[in-house]
Amino acid sequence: AQKVTQAQTEISVVEKEDVTLDCVYETRDTTYYLFWYKQPPSGELVFLIRRNSFDEQNEISGRYSWNFQKSTSSFNFTITASQVVDSAVYFCAPIPGGNQFYFGTGTSLTVIP
Amino acid sequence: KAGVTQTPRYLIKTRGQQVTLSCSPISGHRSVSWYQQTPGQGLQFLFEYFSETQRNKGNFPGRFSGRQFSNSRSEMNVSTLELGDSALYLCASTQTRKSAGELFFGEGSRLTVL
Repeated sequence: AQKVTQAQTEISVVEKEDVTLDCVYETRDTTYYLFWYKQPPSGELVFLIRRNSFDEQNEISGRYSWNFQKSTSSFNFTITASQVVDSAVYFCAPIPGGNQFYFGTGTSLTVIP
Repeated sequence: KAGVTQTPRYLIKTRGQQVTLSCSPISGHRSVSWYQQTPGQGLQFLFEYFSETQRNKGNFPGRFSGRQFSNSRSEMNVSTLELGDSALYLCASTQTRKSAGELFFGEGSRLTVL
């Protein structure tokens, strides 16, 4: 089974600050995918990124970047120059290849204007 | 393209009652999964259906059940409601069976049990 730990329950930052959301996962699978989802106040989760466990290249997409380190089972997410619209709950989820996602309790991010 | 639609959006029930929630996936999506979200437990997987068959099931009691119809629409049912069943129930759809693909979520059905 998969398990994910997002140790930061709640984070508050002032607008334009950078913020990193931590994600540590456990899995017995050798091949798996890692996801990040964002849940704004409206409720629906929105897909942000998917990474294959074979690909440890970091990725940048606009203000978002992801640091994947297989050796430490971490898949951290950084938002640069945060904005109020980034306020949401963020979930990291590892899955072995099916459609059964193991989410944790997530990290609630508040960006203060 | 219409998104995932969940009905009802809000509902209030009393202990002992039963409830049925509905989910219409994105057109063409055949996999539907359900999640329960509570403040204490986070987002937990309930079950997943593909082509009318339950493929995976989370660690929930038998009071929680579901089904999927031939048009991929899905329902989940909770019988003998308990106070702890109060939660946001989210439905997600994706296109294939084992794509490890992006899930598309609905806005959820918020259930309050009194």
